[in-house]
Amino acid sequence: KNEVEQSPQNLTAQEGEFITINCSYSVGISALHWLQQHPGGGIVSLFMLSSGKKKHGRLIATINIQEKHSSLHITASHPRDSAVYICAVSRETSGSRLTFGEGTQLTVNP
Amino acid sequence: NAGVTQTPKFRILKIGQSMTLQCAQDMNHNYMYWYRQDPGMGLKLIYYSVGAGITDKGEVPNGYNVSRSTTEDFPLRLELAAPSQTSVYFCASSPAGGHSRPQHFGDGTRLSIL
Repeated sequence: KNEVEQSPQNLTAQEGEFITINCSYSVGISALHWLQQHPGGGIVSLFMLSSGKKKHGRLIATINIQEKHSSLHITASHPRDSAVYICAVSRETSGSRLTFGEGTQLTVNP
Repeated sequence: NAGVTQTPKFRILKIGQSMTLQCAQDMNHNYMYWYRQDPGMGLKLIYYSVGAGITDKGEVPNGYNVSRSTTEDFPLRLELAAPSQTSVYFCASSPAGGHSRPQHFGDGTRLSIL
């Protein structure tokens, strides 16, 4: 079993829908990261959080440390949100090194 | 802002050939990383460095070598290319105190070994 599990693996939505991507982890962490991988392959960091909730534009990330679970929400989805969304954790015992989930492929249709 | 620059973007190698993937960052970050991404799999850490002159193995180091002679550069060397090393390679960097700082990624190098 992977230490970081994401669901769903693939998600198709219609423009305007509210989207949720889930991430569960099984190890102690110092931080959880959400990243976005564009269709062209580049990877950008969206959020890094260790508690609570963060918001940036239409994106919201939440984390529940007790349940070892995080969610990434996209409000009013748009075709330009189509990408792979990756959850990664900084383990308590591994310093800055990240352990990655397999990613969620999101497609938003117009 | 250049950020993290990887070269080349694409490369095809024959089995047994050697090559170096280049990575440079201009953000004065202490920490640098090399990952590989295989289809349907999460990124895996190959090697990392916490500063010039310091490198350490990640999860999948076999078949690779690195060096860190300067803060800016972190090249990844494949000595005897094998088909199992066909992958997309990403270099990343982060400031010191990296476990609490986001990583910045290059655009990747797509490598095929035939």
